[in-house]
Amino acid sequence: DVVLTQSPLSLPVTLGQPASISCRSSQSLVYSDGEIYLNWFQQRPGQSPRRLIYKVSNRDSGVPDRFSGSGSGTEFTLQISRVEAEDVGVYYCMQGTHWPPITFGQGTRLGIK
Amino acid sequence: LLLESGGNWVLPGGSLTLSCAASGITFSGFPMTWVRQAPGKGLEWVAGSCNSGTTFYADSVKGRFTISRDNSKNILYLQMSSLRVEDAAVYYCAASLSSDWCGPDIWGRGTVVTVS
Repeated sequence: DVVLTQSPLSLPVTLGQPASISCRSSQSLVYSDGEIYLNWFQQRPGQSPRRLIYKVSNRDSGVPDRFSGSGSGTEFTLQISRVEAEDVGVYYCMQGTHWPPITFGQGTRLGIK
Repeated sequence: LLLESGGNWVLPGGSLTLSCAASGITFSGFPMTWVRQAPGKGLEWVAGSCNSGTTFYADSVKGRFTISRDNSKNILYLQMSSLRVEDAAVYYCAASLSSDWCGPDIWGRGTVVTVS
């Protein structure tokens, strides 16, 4: 199974400052069709997960443009350009290139300093 | 909109069936997934109902859980048997936004399963 390792696991950030979350895969996530099936999810306290980014860098409808995704091969990053209070929650990366099973990272808890 | 139901408390070794009612999407055209989250833990993919009727399961539930769907009623099911303490979790159903991708894109609110 593909193992996704996120870092850091806890990320305290000052409001208005940038934040960055890393997701490393145990193997390349490039699929035979050339696509990379690496998505990012946000889970606010008490809520279900919400997809933010799909296929590395495509922002979902309604997601603020302060969120961006990048990466290739085995290294991926979710960046928030200026953290707002509503961004508090846990962020997960997920891969769907080598499945089953679909696998998730351990999650990164973003909080406000 | 995805609305799960059927979560309950059950004894180890017991059985339970979860349902997920879909509205606002063309249910029959899209793959569906179950994902669970144990208390205070991360996300774990459980099962997928993909196109052409194919189904897939996590090794941890294979042989004990069955995913199925009734396209006429827009309902996804998860039949769970031989439940273990470690199966306790919030169970989410999720729909794919693309017919050729069998993964969790849009999620429901979840239903709680307690095994003790």
